[in-house]
Amino acid sequence: DSGVTQTPKHLITATGQRVTLRCSPRSGDLSVYWYQQSLDQGLQFLIQYYNGEERAKGNILERFSAQQFPDLHSELNLSSLELGDSALYFCASSVSPNEATGELFFGEGSRLTVL
Amino acid sequence: DAKTTQPTSMDCAEGRAANLPCNHSTISGNEYVYWYRQIHSQGPQYIIHGLKNNETNEMASLIITEDRKSSTLILPHATLRDTAVYYCIVRGGATNKLIFGTGTLLAVQP
Repeated sequence: DSGVTQTPKHLITATGQRVTLRCSPRSGDLSVYWYQQSLDQGLQFLIQYYNGEERAKGNILERFSAQQFPDLHSELNLSSLELGDSALYFCASSVSPNEATGELFFGEGSRLTVL
Repeated sequence: DAKTTQPTSMDCAEGRAANLPCNHSTISGNEYVYWYRQIHSQGPQYIIHGLKNNETNEMASLIITEDRKSSTLILPHATLRDTAVYYCIVRGGATNKLIFGTGTLLAVQP
């Protein structure tokens, strides 16, 4: 158990819909990262937050957005869903935002299926 | 972040050492070598990291060549539960996000 909690574990929805994925980081971790893993793309970095502020952006689509709240939990919002958005979405957390030696702890992921 | 090259897949007999190579010829002086693994559809798990010295922990050993252009992850006594995709990642600079490549699928055979 990494200490990072993601909900829901599984989600099935239809094209055009909107969903929200939630992540609670490990106690004391200020930085949250979101990753997408689809069959043909591997693990793709989406976005990083530190203490409520966006810190780094990766291959995140404009239809996707994220935020980190004062209690440090984070939400990833996916809208106008397409079939290709079906993937595993992982959240990770770390203590520091820019320390090259800090370990990232990953949650067990949220599996999104878009029909 | 520097790019890494790993074999697509490897086999290892249960109980034997698994040696997973990684090339990172463009690594710069302040970049670390990290290894993570992902057991089928689970969240990636940290294994070990190093800068230039060899490192060992309870899971594995990391051997980094003197020129730092390549490294080897060693699992000393592989078990069936070590079957996973192993990612070698070079990380450093202004941000500590992990950029995953395609990794090596290690299959431990009974």
